[in-house]
Amino acid sequence: NAGVTQTPKFQVLKTGQSMTLQCAQDMNHEYMSWYRQDPGMGLRLIHYSVGAGITDQGEVPNGYNVSRSTTEDFPLRLLSAAPSQTSVYFCASRRDSSNTEAFFGQGTRLTVV
Amino acid sequence: LAKTTQPISMDSYEGQEVNITCSHNNIATNDYITWYQQFPSQGPRFIIQGYKTKVTNEVASLFIPADRKSSTLSLPRVSLSDTAVYYCLVGDPPPSGTYKYIFGTGTRLKVLA
Repeated sequence: NAGVTQTPKFQVLKTGQSMTLQCAQDMNHEYMSWYRQDPGMGLRLIHYSVGAGITDQGEVPNGYNVSRSTTEDFPLRLLSAAPSQTSVYFCASRRDSSNTEAFFGQGTRLTVV
Repeated sequence: LAKTTQPISMDSYEGQEVNITCSHNNIATNDYITWYQQFPSQGPRFIIQGYKTKVTNEVASLFIPADRKSSTLSLPRVSLSDTAVYYCLVGDPPPSGTYKYIFGTGTRLKVLA
C-alpha cells in the first residue's frame, strides 16, 4: 500500500515557467488537499477537494489551479511560477466524513529562480 | 474555524514526560481536537484525536478539560527520535463541518540527550 505519492520530489523552475505537481493516493480516499510549507513555518492550505469533480480554495489559492477528474489523482498546477512560490508542497488525503486522520505525501521541494 | 495557540518551542531531556498545551478558546460544540507530528523533510503524521476527557493510544495521551478550551498532548518518556514539530488542529469533521484542515505554526520540540 503506497499511500500518498507525490512527484517530483525536487524541482527547480525559472520565473514564468509552468508545471504540475502530481499527487496520487491508492486508499480510495474522498478528500484530498494541497499545502505549502515555507521554512520554519506551519502548513498553509492551498486547495482542497471533497471528491471527484469538486474542488475549493484554501487559505492561499492565488497562483495555483487544481482539478480532480478521478478519486486517485489531485494535481496542482503553477501557471506562471514566481519566486514567492518557492516552498515545500505537501499533498494529503482523508478517508471519509467520519474520519479526520489525514495521510500526507513526502513533499515536493520547489525552487523558483 | 477555531483558532489554536501553542508554544513556539520546548526543550526536554530523554526519558522525561513532555506536555504540550494547545489553547482553543472559541472551540465549537462539534469540533474535535487532533494532533499531528512532523519530522524534518517529511509530511505530518497523525498522532491522536479526541473530543473530551482523556484519550490514550500507543504513542501519546490527550487530555481535554470539561470546558474544552484547551488540550494537552502528553508524550511519555521521550527519546531523541521524538524531536519534531507538533501541531494542534481543531475542527468539525464533515459532513456537517468544514472540509478544510488548517494547520498553525506548531510547537517545535527538541529532545536533548
